[in-house]
Amino acid sequence: NAGVTQTPKFRVLKTGQSMTLLCAQDMNHEYMYWYRQDPGMGLRLIHYSVGEGTTAKGEVPDGYNVSRLKKQNFLLGLESAAPSQTSVYFCASSYYRGEAFFGQGTRLTVV
Amino acid sequence: AQKITQTQPGMFVQEKEAVTLDCTYDTSDPSYGLFWYKQPSSGEMIFLIYQGSYDQQNATEGRYSLNFQKARKSANLVISASQLGDSAMYFCAMSPALGGNTPLVFGKGTRLSVIA
Repeated sequence: NAGVTQTPKFRVLKTGQSMTLLCAQDMNHEYMYWYRQDPGMGLRLIHYSVGEGTTAKGEVPDGYNVSRLKKQNFLLGLESAAPSQTSVYFCASSYYRGEAFFGQGTRLTVV
Repeated sequence: AQKITQTQPGMFVQEKEAVTLDCTYDTSDPSYGLFWYKQPSSGEMIFLIYQGSYDQQNATEGRYSLNFQKARKSANLVISASQLGDSAMYFCAMSPALGGNTPLVFGKGTRLSVIA
């Protein structure tokens, strides 16, 4: 039972490069989320999706785009990476009561 | 706007003692859920306990209990008989509308250190 899987686990980017983070869940959850975690800031919501083909902005959406073409996958894209996007990124999914199941995180460094 | 406040950036507790981690929340929605997550140094987010706003009893899960005081808008986590493995970051979170389609809002966390 894989749960929520994030790819990759680590990545180093140069400023201006682009990349896509992949999140896959096998629990048939409708709702999926992308958070970023920075020291002293807790987890802040970037974007989320309440179903296949839908996305919505969270607290800190600037510089990121997302897509949910398939129910089990939620992609987070950085079109032009900046050092301020150095962070740990968590994907999560949830069912009816809001309890979120998290992936293992992606540590991204932008130099 | 919904908000979670954890006022204790760090706490220390002696092994085998109980410890309370504070969490207050702010919402105007009558229906909501409250959650606690543990994040050990390895980085994963581990769900600990859940309390619904209409639940009459305080939630308990093994050594974890949630002291829910609705009128004060507080949802403190109590860990009984602390163990060295309890050393971690702890996050309080709220789902503003019970039903699952609204994202969790997180506090900034409390780092708990258990001393032998």
